[in-house]
Amino acid sequence: SQKIEQNSEALNIQEGKTATLTCNYTNYSPAYLQWYRQDPGRGPVFLLLIRENEKEKRKERLKVTFDTTLKQSLFHITASQPADSATYLCALDQGGSYIPTFGRGTSLIVHP
Amino acid sequence: SAVISQKPSRDICQRGTSLTIQCQVDSQVTMMFWYRQQPGQSLTLIATANQGSEATYESGFVIDKFPISRPNLTFSTLTVSNMSPEDSSIYLCSVEDRATQETQYFGPGTRLLVL
Repeated sequence: SQKIEQNSEALNIQEGKTATLTCNYTNYSPAYLQWYRQDPGRGPVFLLLIRENEKEKRKERLKVTFDTTLKQSLFHITASQPADSATYLCALDQGGSYIPTFGRGTSLIVHP
Repeated sequence: SAVISQKPSRDICQRGTSLTIQCQVDSQVTMMFWYRQQPGQSLTLIATANQGSEATYESGFVIDKFPISRPNLTFSTLTVSNMSPEDSSIYLCSVEDRATQETQYFGPGTRLLVL
């Protein structure tokens, strides 16, 4: 069956360090992969999208990699700040629809 | 981008009752989506609502339990019927990004607790 795995344990890091979150998937052939941020009591907010033919995408302090051989995406936040503390969701879309499938998300806690 | 509002933001309901959640978008969109997010779980798509047609429900969700209305291009409602404690969840509506049609904008969610 299709599966998206994100680390269920919270990631705790110190301010200024780089946070790296992982999204693994099985039995998917995604056309693209997305990362969203979700704060408590809020809906998810889109951050970045990376396509299957792209290895890396950057936006300000954010970087996403996509390895279709390993079936894995890594999400990096450099120079992390306490304001980056949130849950980060990855979502896969096999194309042809507007409806991605979401992982459970990983909570990131950045300590001052 | 799209700005989405939902009402109510939260509610506490008794078993056996029904709750209707409203979703308003600040621009016209073709499709609106309703999701459920149970504690510690991923977002699960309930149904897709197109204006002028019946909603399309995902496996495990039925119209009798989750009736949806889509009277115009900026508004939709989701009703959670005959509620049980298992329906306690966050309910989110979303719309597609009209420019890229690849990402979604989400409302703030409705936090429902059923006693």
